[in-house]
Amino acid sequence: RKEVEQDPGPFNVPEGATVAFNCTYSNSASQSFFWYRQDCRKEPKLLMSVYSSGNEDGRFTAQLNRASQYISLLIRDSKLSDSATYLCVVNMYFGNEKLTFGTGTRLTIIP
Amino acid sequence: DAGITQSPRYKITETGRQVTLMCHQTWSHSYMFWYRQDLGHGLRLIYYSAAADITDKGEVPDGYVVSRSKTENFPLTLESATRSQTSVYFCASSEEGYEQYFGPGTRLTVT
Repeated sequence: RKEVEQDPGPFNVPEGATVAFNCTYSNSASQSFFWYRQDCRKEPKLLMSVYSSGNEDGRFTAQLNRASQYISLLIRDSKLSDSATYLCVVNMYFGNEKLTFGTGTRLTIIP
Repeated sequence: DAGITQSPRYKITETGRQVTLMCHQTWSHSYMFWYRQDLGHGLRLIYYSAAADITDKGEVPDGYVVSRSKTENFPLTLESATRSQTSVYFCASSEEGYEQYFGPGTRLTVT
């Protein structure tokens, strides 16, 4: 089993729709959680951190479910510029800055 | 404000040659990381460094060597390149407890 698993997609979604991604992680002691965004042939960039209480940043909402060991990302009112690959990222070990990356979910927003 | 840079951006080399990929950051971040990204595997950690002169292995260190004599530089050397090392290499840096910032990547092809 992979340490961080994501549905690879692709998700093809019409502009203005709502889309949700899930990600599961294997280590119940994982410390922190993130969603990164990666555009084609570019470097990954932090989209948002994921907090235990859930958090929102504009059209983006992230949730964490520690009991079921998954995190989610919801994108509302999707824009063409949201087309990218979304990486689920987990810091699995306390006192360690190493991150474990999922393979990514590819999203294409269709005009 | 250069941030984090990598050189070269593209490299083609032959099997058996030694290759060094450079990474430079201007933020004085303590931590630096080297990842490789391949289809189906996502980002995998090769080596990381918590400070100058402190380095440690990641998930896939075989065939690679790193050094960190200065905080701002973290070169990655392939001692004898193999075709399986054809990949996109990303360098990243961070402060403890904060997000990782990635460089633009180096596309390496080993023929």
